[in-house]
Amino acid sequence: GAVVSQHPSRVICKSGTSVKIECRSLDFQATTMFWYRQFPKKSLMLMATSNEGSKATYEQGVEKDKFLINHASLTLSTLTVTSAHPEDSSFYICSARLAGNQETQYFGPGTRLLVL
Amino acid sequence: GEDVEQSLFLSVREGDSSVINCTYTDSSSTYLYWYKQEPGAGLQLLTYIFSNMDMKQDQRLTVLLNKKDKHLSLRIADTQTGDSAIYFCAESIPHGNNRLAFGKGNQVVVIP
Repeated sequence: GAVVSQHPSRVICKSGTSVKIECRSLDFQATTMFWYRQFPKKSLMLMATSNEGSKATYEQGVEKDKFLINHASLTLSTLTVTSAHPEDSSFYICSARLAGNQETQYFGPGTRLLVL
Repeated sequence: GEDVEQSLFLSVREGDSSVINCTYTDSSSTYLYWYKQEPGAGLQLLTYIFSNMDMKQDQRLTVLLNKKDKHLSLRIADTQTGDSAIYFCAESIPHGNNRLAFGKGNQVVVIP
């Protein structure tokens, strides 16, 4: 149980285009999902907290107009990187927390984004 | 503060025990976690410990928590080649919607 999927697993796009990444909790409902960014050989940096039915809470320094987050249902959150640039190339990982369970986050497999 | 510190690299022979250490700064953390990340993959939750415990054992994994010193360790007994990965400790931040603050990660390489 507690499986989180991400789609796509890998994407290459041209500079200036927008890319949408999906995060799904497959067998549980997640009122809260988190989006992280990870640079090579670095730790995870929390970008934003996504709550179902409300606006996402962004961490300091993360542009909300650049990284659009939508959490339309209890099993799906999406991250859209708008007008992507090469510096947005990174590994994006989402996690989901079971509704009513504050202890545990389950992570997706990540999405590798390369912007040319 | 929410800084979580980890050492960077550990090599260990197959069959030996490995110990990874972590220090954290937020004394209000209720849960502390160990995650494993294999190359190109997401994070796998290995184990977690509640802050009022000082030890937790789960098969080959032993977590020790020294709350006074804000020190967390993970011991892997009988280390196997499949244990080669990066290990992250993390603390939950109660005043931050229980979001996680991660350490920098510790790469473990198991030598056959």
